[in-house]
Amino acid sequence: QKEVEQDPGPLSVPEGAIVSLNCTYSNSAFQYFMWYRQYSRKGPELLMYTYSSGNKEDGRFTAQVDKSSKYISLFIRDSQPSDSATYLCAMRGSTDSWGKFQFGAGTQVVVTP
Amino acid sequence: DGGITQSPKYLFRKEGQNVTLSCEQNLNHDAMYWYRQDPGQGLRLIYYSQIVNDFQKGDIAEGYSVSREKKESFPLTVTSAQKNPTAFYLCASSARDSNEQFFGPGTRLTVL
Repeated sequence: QKEVEQDPGPLSVPEGAIVSLNCTYSNSAFQYFMWYRQYSRKGPELLMYTYSSGNKEDGRFTAQVDKSSKYISLFIRDSQPSDSATYLCAMRGSTDSWGKFQFGAGTQVVVTP
Repeated sequence: DGGITQSPKYLFRKEGQNVTLSCEQNLNHDAMYWYRQDPGQGLRLIYYSQIVNDFQKGDIAEGYSVSREKKESFPLTVTSAQKNPTAFYLCASSARDSNEQFFGPGTRLTVL
């Protein structure tokens, strides 16, 4: 069983809708949670970073961490066609070597005009 | 422009040949990483280096080798021992103790 599970999609939504993405994980020691966006044939870029539990908002993006359920989410409000990409979650524990993350497989999102 | 460069963008290799992928960064980052990305499997860590002249195996190091002779450079050699080398290879770097990794544009390796 993988440590980090993520539905590969594709997830298709109409422009303006809310995109809801999530990852589940099995390692209760994970403390640092990241969301990356990856356009086709490009390297990933960091979108959101959350430490431990709680919510974090940045513009149209909201990241949530529920450590009791071992579940993290990313919401994209007022989605645009430019949001069409693959979204990867990544996480690590506080005792893991810094920079050594476990990545989910990524969810492909398609926002249709 | 600060960033990470990877070359070449596309690489073709015959079975049995070693090939070296280049990764250079001018962000003055201490740490550098190599990942492999396959469809449906996400990013898997091959090797990482947190300081010059030192590097550690990741989760799938077999069939790969690296060197870190300079802070800005972290080349990856895919050897003939790697059984399924066809993949998208991503290099990344980060500052010391940072959780943010900056990724290069990737190299797509195809073994013919």
